[in-house]
Amino acid sequence: QQQVKQSPQSLIVQKGGIPIINCAYENTAFDYFPWYQQFPGKGPALLIAIRPDVSEKKEGRFTISFNKSAKQFSLHIMDSQPGDSATYFCAALETSGSRLTFGEGTQLTVNP
Amino acid sequence: KAGVTQTPRYLIKTRGQQVTLSCSPISGHRSVSWYQQTPGQGLQFLFEYFSETQRNKGNFPGRFSGRQFSNSRSEMNVSTLELGDSALYLCASSLASTVNTGELFFGEGSRLTVL
Repeated sequence: QQQVKQSPQSLIVQKGGIPIINCAYENTAFDYFPWYQQFPGKGPALLIAIRPDVSEKKEGRFTISFNKSAKQFSLHIMDSQPGDSATYFCAALETSGSRLTFGEGTQLTVNP
Repeated sequence: KAGVTQTPRYLIKTRGQQVTLSCSPISGHRSVSWYQQTPGQGLQFLFEYFSETQRNKGNFPGRFSGRQFSNSRSEMNVSTLELGDSALYLCASSLASTVNTGELFFGEGSRLTVL
């Protein structure tokens, strides 16, 4: 049972564009929402994370927008670069939990 | 500071065999989690250990097992391998006693191919 749904599955943008990746969840016990970036042949690496008590968090060119009532959150990448080409995963964690539930992943390609 | 180290990186097995994968967490990290990554199912949680105790287990059959040693190193074992067990097995470590207060650091994974 997929508890975190991610879209789109793949995304192609031009350099400087602003790709947006969306995730939706059902479990209201989730209270920690990280995004991971994975390059081919590497393990996922934490990019940015947010808790439901804030609606937006920004770190460098990466921004998470969070809508608690809609149970949705999204990742925006400002001024995207070819080096941002990777697979991005959203995830969610329950209160006092120890297991991350991941979305299906989005393969992002940023063309030069 | 060394990252999470997984061995072996690649291995090929045949159906019915068993396999043991090893994970050395970042020094000082006491929580180790295992995930299975496949193109069809994405990243699926296997289990998590903290101070040698399994704290959580995912929805995998009993053929999948793991353990953690006193030095926080962890191993996972898959017995009676099936073709569908072909996957990238990822280990992640965390400093915090509960994952949601800290960052998960992933290794590069062990890619298992079952023929």
